[in-house]
Amino acid sequence: DTAVSQTPKYLVTQMGNDKSIKCEQNLGHDTMYWYKQDSKKFLKIMFSYNNKELIINETVPNRFSPKSPDKAHLNLHINSLELGDSAVYFCASSQFSIKGGYGNTEAFFGQGTRLTVV
Amino acid sequence: AQSVTQLDSQVPVFEEAPVELRCNYSSSVSVYLFWYVQYPNQGLQLLLKYLSGSTLVKGINGFEAEFNKSQTSFHLRKPSVHISDTAEYFCAVSRDDMRFGAGTRLTVKP
Repeated sequence: DTAVSQTPKYLVTQMGNDKSIKCEQNLGHDTMYWYKQDSKKFLKIMFSYNNKELIINETVPNRFSPKSPDKAHLNLHINSLELGDSAVYFCASSQFSIKGGYGNTEAFFGQGTRLTVV
Repeated sequence: AQSVTQLDSQVPVFEEAPVELRCNYSSSVSVYLFWYVQYPNQGLQLLLKYLSGSTLVKGINGFEAEFNKSQTSFHLRKPSVHISDTAEYFCAVSRDDMRFGAGTRLTVKP
């Protein structure tokens, strides 16, 4: 069974469209994340949720809205897609909340969603 | 806040040669350190982690890293690389959140 799974793996869409990426983890972890990896492989944290509560919200356009229906799922919805949104988006999870000093746990990553905006 | 600097963006080496990928971190408090590997078109996989204790950490695939507090470094080493080690390697630091370095592209040539 895949520990952290995200769908779709590839997403090609036109500018201005709205799209969603789904993520599920079956590890029983409390914390889930979204990272964006640009064409130069730079990984930037976007959001972090702990038990469905938003704990990290980096400087991300408000066109990006995460939603966590339960602690095993963290979806990413993107409105009005722009060319610059093209990237690989990774979902990840970890056992404890990294906020508050529980920073000693590794993050498990999904396989990524390659988003291409044309 | 903590940050990570990977000193080399690309490291080409020949097969069976030793390799060192360098990582320096910056933090005003104690942190936890990780190395991840990303093979082409795949997600990130944990190689090893330093939480506390022995400063020499052994990971998967023959990799090891040494935590040096005085130099704020966490360099990754392997004594003899294989073609299959060609990948992107990321150093990460974790305290309040997990931050990644810019990555080092390791290319192993025959």
